Amino acid sequence: GAVVSQHPSWVICKSGTSVKIECRSLDFQATTMFWYRQFPKQSLMLMATSNEGSKATYEQGVEKDKFLINHASLTLSTLTVTSAHPEDSSFYICSARDFSGRAYEQYFGPGTRLTVT
Amino acid sequence: KNEVEQSPQNLTAQEGEFITINCSYSVGISALHWLQQHPGGGIVSLFMLSSGKKKHGRLIATINIQEKHSSLHITASHPRDSAVYICAVLKGTASKLTFGTGTRLQVTL
Repeated sequence: GAVVSQHPSWVICKSGTSVKIECRSLDFQATTMFWYRQFPKQSLMLMATSNEGSKATYEQGVEKDKFLINHASLTLSTLTVTSAHPEDSSFYICSARDFSGRAYEQYFGPGTRLTVT
Repeated sequence: KNEVEQSPQNLTAQEGEFITINCSYSVGISALHWLQQHPGGGIVSLFMLSSGKKKHGRLIATINIQEKHSSLHITASHPRDSAVYICAVLKGTASKLTFGTGTRLQVTL
């Protein structure tokens, strides 16, 4: 089946620094990738939809200048948390939609746990 | 009221029991996903359904489009099935998933 990887799987950073998280589709091309965050014991919350070669579409309440998303190729999207603060500590998950035309096939990455100290 | 409701919210079962988790939704959908999230956090896509029934190993997923309802069944449950099970729907032609709040399953020996 289709595989989506994320790197790193966990990261600890100091307040004020920036952190980049990568999401890769390993065996398929993904025109669309989605970024989610999840707080403990809560459901996934969509942050933004990333389309290859164009600007990401952010959900209401998500600061686009703080969460920079780049989808430069059909297999890679990156999320950069800029000037991270402790309240940004969360579990970040990406998913990718298969380019093959099956409009509703989505595959999830394993997630990245971010801790800001 | 959430557009996607799951029941029960929490479920404890003994090893070997047959388990059913339900998902009801109030909107028109093009597809429904069942996802599994283990305590470590990673999400695995179990099924994607638009009609009927699918089976994979001990897992069975069904959907009734007219009744706007789906069920996930686990036969011969095992402690390694302990996880949060999440129902998510694709509304109409949208590409964004709408998630249920999840069902936390604990299978004990």
